[in-house]
Amino acid sequence: EVQLLESGGDLVQPGGSLKLSCAASGFTFSSFAMTWVRQAPGKGLEWVAFIRDSGSRIQHGDSVKGRFSTFRDNSRDTLYLQMNSLRVEDTAIYYCAVLPYYDLRSGYYIYSDYWGQGTLVTVSS
Amino acid sequence: DIQMTQSPSSLSASVGDRVTITCRASQDIKNDLGWYQQKAGKAPKRLIYATSSLQSGVPSRFSGSGSGTEFTLTISGLQPEDYATYYCLQYSNYLWTFGQGTKVEIK
Repeated sequence: EVQLLESGGDLVQPGGSLKLSCAASGFTFSSFAMTWVRQAPGKGLEWVAFIRDSGSRIQHGDSVKGRFSTFRDNSRDTLYLQMNSLRVEDTAIYYCAVLPYYDLRSGYYIYSDYWGQGTLVTVSS
Repeated sequence: DIQMTQSPSSLSASVGDRVTITCRASQDIKNDLGWYQQKAGKAPKRLIYATSSLQSGVPSRFSGSGSGTEFTLTISGLQPEDYATYYCLQYSNYLWTFGQGTKVEIK
């Protein structure tokens, strides 16, 4: 059974930092690109970051670019999101997920669909 | 960046109704579009990928259509368990954008 288990969500003050983790099991983590998606309270879904299976390509959404960084440890089947200079508007549930993407190496689209249960980050003074 | 405009933002419908939700992309995304259902307190669940391919296990009353910049999710015969919020997602060119969401409520 595929599982994605996020952890690390907490209450943090504006300007602070936080590191989220996502532990994967039930699939070959090192073969899949991973994504972070967030959802502010009562709001819609927002794509945050993408990292290729090898970690060789990383992209972040405009709202977090320069403040957040994503990386992975394939030996531990774990994805990370380092969040710095946090703002009140970063308050959200953060999900790790496998979203659809085009895999350049194979030349095929990857249509797997895996989501974690989310972890809550609250930025408030 | 590609913007996705989803409409309507909410709708009220009765059990058995046919429901249509639309997403418009700001540029051609070919068929790089999926549809997700989200219920309160839960992670999103994918219904459709590649515009019109039904996710395994999803009832056939859900269908998707479109191409280029205009896409549609149709629920043919709304069921009580379909009351939820629906999102489109485009995944073209290593950028992902969700629509704003459509909340489907009981009439």
